[in-house]
Amino acid sequence: GAGVSQSPSNKVTEKGKDVELRCDPISGHTALYWYRQSLGQGLEFLIYFQGNSAPDKSGLPSDRFSAERTGGSVSTLTIQRTQQEDSAVYLCASSLALVSSYEQYFGPGTRLTVT
Amino acid sequence: LAKTTQPISMDSYEGQEVNITCSHNNIATNDYITWYQQFPSQGPRFIIQGYKTKVTNEVASLFIPADRKSSTLSLPRVSLSDTAVYYCLVGAADSSYKLIFGSGTRLLVRP
Repeated sequence: GAGVSQSPSNKVTEKGKDVELRCDPISGHTALYWYRQSLGQGLEFLIYFQGNSAPDKSGLPSDRFSAERTGGSVSTLTIQRTQQEDSAVYLCASSLALVSSYEQYFGPGTRLTVT
Repeated sequence: LAKTTQPISMDSYEGQEVNITCSHNNIATNDYITWYQQFPSQGPRFIIQGYKTKVTNEVASLFIPADRKSSTLSLPRVSLSDTAVYYCLVGAADSSYKLIFGSGTRLLVRP
């Protein structure tokens, strides 16, 4: 079956512009997660969704970052007024349920470059 | 969430067995141990998960001693395609949905 897909695969934007990153989870997966990975670094957890709800937004780096999920499926991560330090690979993952005993399936990521 | 410590890098040769050990001294009673693999330009991929003793699947084995303060991922007869970063994660099955990735172990398999 289809895995997690993300779009675009690459995004180059100018500093100060807004960007939207999209994630399509595996069908039937109720939990969805966003991470980011800076060059040569480990993964940084950003936010999770259980259904359409994101109860804990404390992992978002700043108030320029927001995320939503609709219909218990597609999620969008929005970064407003992008800064150069936002450059990273943004990874989305989904799992059957919101427990770590279920493996998380990751998408290929969106490479964001802010110039 | 328990903090994990693992080697920054390891080198091996094709056909050898590779063992990567992860320390997690503060592991909690209900924490599971999970290993992920990440190739360049890809998202991480689940390899194996265990709670205690030994778990084996078609890809790897996971050895967990009785005190659970460490775990060892064993990759039998590695090939060049096993060159990747391997992450050890520890979290509770009921609440630690956040996967906290450390720096991982960069494994290089040489011909």
